[in-house]
Amino acid sequence: DTGVSQNPRHKITKRGQNVTFRCDPISEHNRLYWYRQTLGQGPEFLTYFQNEAQLEKSRLLSDRFSAERPKGSFSTLEIQRTEQGDSAMYLCASSAGQASTDTQYFGPGTRLTVL
Amino acid sequence: TQLLEQSPQFLSIQEGENLTVYCNSSSVFSSLQWYRQEPGEGPVLLVTVVTGGEVKKLKRLTFQFGDARKDSSLHITAAQPGDTGLYLCAGALSPSGGYNKLIFGAGTRLAVHP
Repeated sequence: DTGVSQNPRHKITKRGQNVTFRCDPISEHNRLYWYRQTLGQGPEFLTYFQNEAQLEKSRLLSDRFSAERPKGSFSTLEIQRTEQGDSAMYLCASSAGQASTDTQYFGPGTRLTVL
Repeated sequence: TQLLEQSPQFLSIQEGENLTVYCNSSSVFSSLQWYRQEPGEGPVLLVTVVTGGEVKKLKRLTFQFGDARKDSSLHITAAQPGDTGLYLCAGALSPSGGYNKLIFGAGTRLAVHP
């Protein structure tokens, strides 16, 4: 399977715990995006990487959130001191970085439940 | 604040009926994508439209991008139960740096009954 993969698929945690999610983009895609989707809503942009550089962060990404893409391949999204409001589906997408359309392909997501 | 309004939010129809889903915005997009999402899964791309006025067909699905690249529609002819799902439109904004930031609508949840 050469699509975007995300792990874990589901995470249940208690409020105040830290969690980390991983995204493996499509091979050789140099652009990687994180989105968050809450129930009944469309995904909302969180952050963007070009290779290993994090070039944009949404205001939705509070200081409890940190994302990395250390070698320009896989990425991790960490949430510290989780809150119930963090419960959502966290989606990763990647794109090839080509002109005009630069279509983003999404992974299956990680569903986070904070108790 | 960029906003993409999608309507209707919910649609419940009988097999064989036609339907249209709309996405409207005051923002101009460099392109617009339509995705379909199943419960517990990520969005799967259906089509990308780029040029104002562009029409693309995918079997029984017809996608149109508005002339001003601010709005789009998805028309399904003779809907089938297999079309049931969440349909999302996403407009692409291009901040400096050349990448696309997607702004999603809230989605249209379609149920097609046999």
